Amino acid sequence: DAKTTQPTSMDCAEGRAANLPCNHSTISGNEYVYWYRQIHSQGPQYIIHGLKNNETNEMASLIITEDRKSSTLILPHATLRDTAVYYCIVRVDGGTASKLTFGTGTRLQVTL
Amino acid sequence: EAGVAQSPRYKIIEKRQSVAFWCNPISGHATLYWYQQILGQGPKLLIQFQNNGVVDDSQLPKDRFSAERLKGVDSTLKIQPAKLEDSAVYLCASSLRAANYGYTFGSGTRLTVV
Repeated sequence: DAKTTQPTSMDCAEGRAANLPCNHSTISGNEYVYWYRQIHSQGPQYIIHGLKNNETNEMASLIITEDRKSSTLILPHATLRDTAVYYCIVRVDGGTASKLTFGTGTRLQVTL
Repeated sequence: EAGVAQSPRYKIIEKRQSVAFWCNPISGHATLYWYQQILGQGPKLLIQFQNNGVVDDSQLPKDRFSAERLKGVDSTLKIQPAKLEDSAVYLCASSLRAANYGYTFGSGTRLTVV
């Protein structure tokens, strides 16, 4: 699996956009970028994933650079409920061997 | 849609005792995972089932940990005997198929070994 590098922690004011970066310089052509988050005392929750194109859903947007060596998760209007640890994971998809490997993630603190 | 159910929510045991955790995945989800999350770390995969067969148990400490998924639905993870370093949250997740998106996690069982 390609290794990812994320900042340990970030702060964001409520109502502002939260931009969470992830470096994955060794990503290979068939590896996807996945984002999960874990709110305190809960299990991780799927947010979004992508291969090379930018993706958007009701939760967030994922911007992947053209060389695919880095990506940014964007929460457009952060709320206090978005305070969580955010994990960026790079992995080949599909097959019985598909499994998620979590790093230590970025702890996002949303403040008033 | 009901989520992944886990029980108990909390468990405190003494070292060398045994303990079991139960997981009921989302109905119809063929793939089931057990993860261990030590405080301050990301979850670590222990074992992956596809229906009632084991796909990957390479990270499972088999001298003390065991898991089963009879009939391809519910699953049980057991530790015997427990060590202090087993203190962690044990998370169960399921997915409709073996894909990296769409995992649904339970809230976990917090184990404290004293």
